[in-house]
Amino acid sequence: ETGVTQTPRHLVMGMTNKKSLKCEQHLGHNAMYWYKQSAKKPLELMFVYNFKEQTENNSVPSRFSPECPNSSHLFLHLHTLQPEDSALYLCASSQALDTERGYTFGSGTRLTVV
Amino acid sequence: GENVEQHPSTLSVQEGDSAVIKCTYSDSASNYFPWYKQELGKRPQLIIDIRSNVGEKKDQRIAVTLNKTAKHFSLHITETQPEDSAVYFCAASKKGGSTLGRLYFGRGTQLTVWP
Repeated sequence: ETGVTQTPRHLVMGMTNKKSLKCEQHLGHNAMYWYKQSAKKPLELMFVYNFKEQTENNSVPSRFSPECPNSSHLFLHLHTLQPEDSALYLCASSQALDTERGYTFGSGTRLTVV
Repeated sequence: GENVEQHPSTLSVQEGDSAVIKCTYSDSASNYFPWYKQELGKRPQLIIDIRSNVGEKKDQRIAVTLNKTAKHFSLHITETQPEDSAVYFCAASKKGGSTLGRLYFGRGTQLTVWP
C-alpha cells in the first residue's frame, strides 16, 4: 500500500443504486483529489479539496457528490449513474502548498454500472 | 490555467531501443514537472521529476530534460525492457501565488516494448 487506501477495489452497481467510494490517507497530506480514468483515456480531474474545502469542481454531473469530512478522508457518493460512468476512479493526495513532492495515488476503485 | 500537451499518444519500440516522450506546457510560471508510470490495472506512480532550476536529471535508464525557454520537457528511456511497457503521464505545476499546488496532467503515452 502507498499510504492512500481506496475501498472498495471493485464495485458493480445498477443505475438506480446509491453507493459510496472511500479514500483514506495517512501521509499527513492536506489536499485530496478524485480522478476518473476511462479505458484508453487520460486522467480526468473531477474534484479538488484543499484543507477540507472544495476548491475545484471540473463540471462534474450532480450524480457524483464528493464529501471531505477531514483532511484524511474523501468520499465520492454515487447516485443514479449511467453506464458511461463505468471507469477506474482514482483518489490522490498531496501537500496543498508543496506539490514538489508530487501526488500519491490510491489503487483505485473499478466501477461498473449495469 | 495551465495546459499540458503530450506526444505521442502511443509509442512502440523494440527491446533495447530508446524511447522519448515529449510534453509542452503553457504557463511560464510552472516550476515542477513530474512523470508518472501506470502499468496495466495499477495506480500511477511517480518515477522521476525535475524542477525548473535544473536542465536535466537522470536515474539509471530514465532521464528527463527541461527547456524552460521553449516550455517543453521530455522523458528518455534507454535500453528499454518489456517491463517498461505502461502508460506514462507528464505533469506540471507551480508553487506559490494564488494557485494551490495542483498538478496538470498530459493525456498520457502508451509505451509498448516488444521483446
